[in-house]
Amino acid sequence: EPEVTQTPSHQVTQMGQEVILRCVPISNHLYFYWYRQILGQKVEFLVSFYNNEISEKSEIFDDQFSVERPDGSNFTLKIRSTKLEDSAMYFCASSDWSSGANVLTFGAGSRLTVL
Amino acid sequence: AQKITQTQPGMFVQEKEAVTLDCTYDTSDQSYGLFWYKQPSSGEMIFLIYQGSYDEQNATEGRYSLNFQKARKSANLVISASQLGDSAMYFCAMRTNTGNQFYFGTGTSLTVIP
Repeated sequence: EPEVTQTPSHQVTQMGQEVILRCVPISNHLYFYWYRQILGQKVEFLVSFYNNEISEKSEIFDDQFSVERPDGSNFTLKIRSTKLEDSAMYFCASSDWSSGANVLTFGAGSRLTVL
Repeated sequence: AQKITQTQPGMFVQEKEAVTLDCTYDTSDQSYGLFWYKQPSSGEMIFLIYQGSYDEQNATEGRYSLNFQKARKSANLVISASQLGDSAMYFCAMRTNTGNQFYFGTGTSLTVIP
């Protein structure tokens, strides 16, 4: 079964450093997303991406964050100058809006720990 | 504004019993989709079941069924014959057609007791 792949599974970084989280969405999906989940809390929307540009973003997704689709398969989230409160699980997801349900398929997540 | 509400932070159920996890939603859109996801302690988000706003029948997937009451704007998940492996966090989510964002509730932690 097709799956969304995320790397790394866990990253530890020092406050102020830049982090890049990588995702390979399902190949025939057209919409890509990043969500964040602080430990034990709700799943928060960060950004959605379609047709090589951001289609929606939340208030969380400020200038510290950026996304990129550098080639035909990868979808990356860059976090500049990380802060302690950026520690969270970051989920990449993709969906195919050509089908009726448009199910959001998640990757296994990248756990970011900022020290 | 779109909103998903899950009012049960934690639920307990005896093994082999059925359990209902509540979800209410708010949207002014006529076309939308409702989803349930399971998040075990390992952290991944697993899709369980989907209900479209125009679907007349309640969705079912194995032991999962969605009790969709459109007038009440509720989309409760029913898990029949609970198993120990059902212990997890369960999230209700909604997608509308006015954007491509999925909105999530705060989740319900289900514990199945042997």
